[in-house]
Amino acid sequence: EDKVVQSPLSLVVHEGDTVTLNCSYEVTNFRSLLWYKQEKKAPTFLFMLTSSGIEKKSGRLSSILDKKELSSILNITATQTGDSAIYLCAMYTGNQFYFGTGTSLTVIP
Amino acid sequence: DSGVTQTPKHLITATGQRVTLRCSPRSGDLSVYWYQQSLDQGLQFLIQYYNGEERAKGNILERFSAQQFPDLHSELNLSSLELGDSALYFCASSVVVDRNTEAFFGQGTRLTVV
Repeated sequence: EDKVVQSPLSLVVHEGDTVTLNCSYEVTNFRSLLWYKQEKKAPTFLFMLTSSGIEKKSGRLSSILDKKELSSILNITATQTGDSAIYLCAMYTGNQFYFGTGTSLTVIP
Repeated sequence: DSGVTQTPKHLITATGQRVTLRCSPRSGDLSVYWYQQSLDQGLQFLIQYYNGEERAKGNILERFSAQQFPDLHSELNLSSLELGDSALYFCASSVVVDRNTEAFFGQGTRLTVV
């Protein structure tokens, strides 16, 4: 059964800390792995990863895919209160997007 | 703004009733996905339509149905509503299938069944 597992479920950090969010997947037909940020309502797209070992970077956020380990990590450096959100990992099979349950990140001042 | 429009934003209805949620995808997107998000669960995939045809089915109850119209907007029909159906329902759209793409989400419809 295709599935996506994220860890941790929740974490609370202080502003300025660096966090690493994990995503592992099992799939029969992998096309890409995507990260989304969900604040109050709609998830917004962060990254799409298709190749192993190539880091995608956007400001303080970066992500990398390891196809051998069937996993991905999302790093956030120098966290800010505005980074507080649920971070969702999704796997795209060419047909469906399978989402994990998300990691809830709270950044406190 | 993702370009995906969902109406209504909020819906409160009694058990046993039927409601229709509406989604207009981004201009040019042929694929529409419906998801249910409850408090303690992630995004649960319900159903996908591509260019008017059902493409994939997830954990969608028999009481729920959906369709995609010729103008590509989609409707999700929920009937015989139960308290447990209370959730945030998202619609997402993407351009194509079978190629790497991202999904763009609407703002969701919050359904409360009382």
